[in-house]
Amino acid sequence: AQSVTQLGSHVSVSEGALVLLRCNYSSSVPPYLFWYVQYPNQGLQLLLKYTTGATLVKGINGFEAEFKKSETSFHLTKPSAHMSDAAEYFCAVTGGFKTIFGAGTRLFVKA
Amino acid sequence: KAGVTQTPRYLIKTRGQQVTLSCSPISGHRSVSWYQQTPGQGLQFLFEYFSETQRNKGNFPGRFSGRQFSNSRSEMNVSTLELGDSALYLCASSLTQGQHEQYFGPGTRLTVT
Repeated sequence: AQSVTQLGSHVSVSEGALVLLRCNYSSSVPPYLFWYVQYPNQGLQLLLKYTTGATLVKGINGFEAEFKKSETSFHLTKPSAHMSDAAEYFCAVTGGFKTIFGAGTRLFVKA
Repeated sequence: KAGVTQTPRYLIKTRGQQVTLSCSPISGHRSVSWYQQTPGQGLQFLFEYFSETQRNKGNFPGRFSGRQFSNSRSEMNVSTLELGDSALYLCASSLTQGQHEQYFGPGTRLTVT
């Protein structure tokens, strides 16, 4: 079985500051891990994914995430926040044939 | 390539009615999954279809059903609507079964009054 925990339902950062969104997972099989972003009144858009291989994965819009098996974490980071990054972010884990999504973290970016 | 399309985008129904939502996946994608998104419950998996067969199902009552056609287009149906069915229904397509890398449509916003 899989589960996902996103720490913090809301995160607020200043424009230009580091973005760090936390995700911890559990999976009984080697997981595939994903981050998605959702803008208001839209569907989810894939930011990045980890399947196998390199543990640091880079995605779109300057985001990256590091798979840490020992910590069962897959935190999302961006060095410098932009106003356009304000959205809701979802971490997801796929093990076997089901995808489980976290509850989401809403990112606010202050000017 | 065109993205995932969902119709209609907005729908208002009355309790007890039924509704059918449609999803057209990305060309070449054979798997379609459906999700319900609500503020209280978040994203919940409804079911996945691959090659016209339901491959996975979430924990929803039998009022929720779906099907997939030979061209991979999918429909989901909700019968005897309840107020709690008000939600954003999202469709996602993948190349193959297993929901690995999913591409989402914009969703259908269903309001039940």
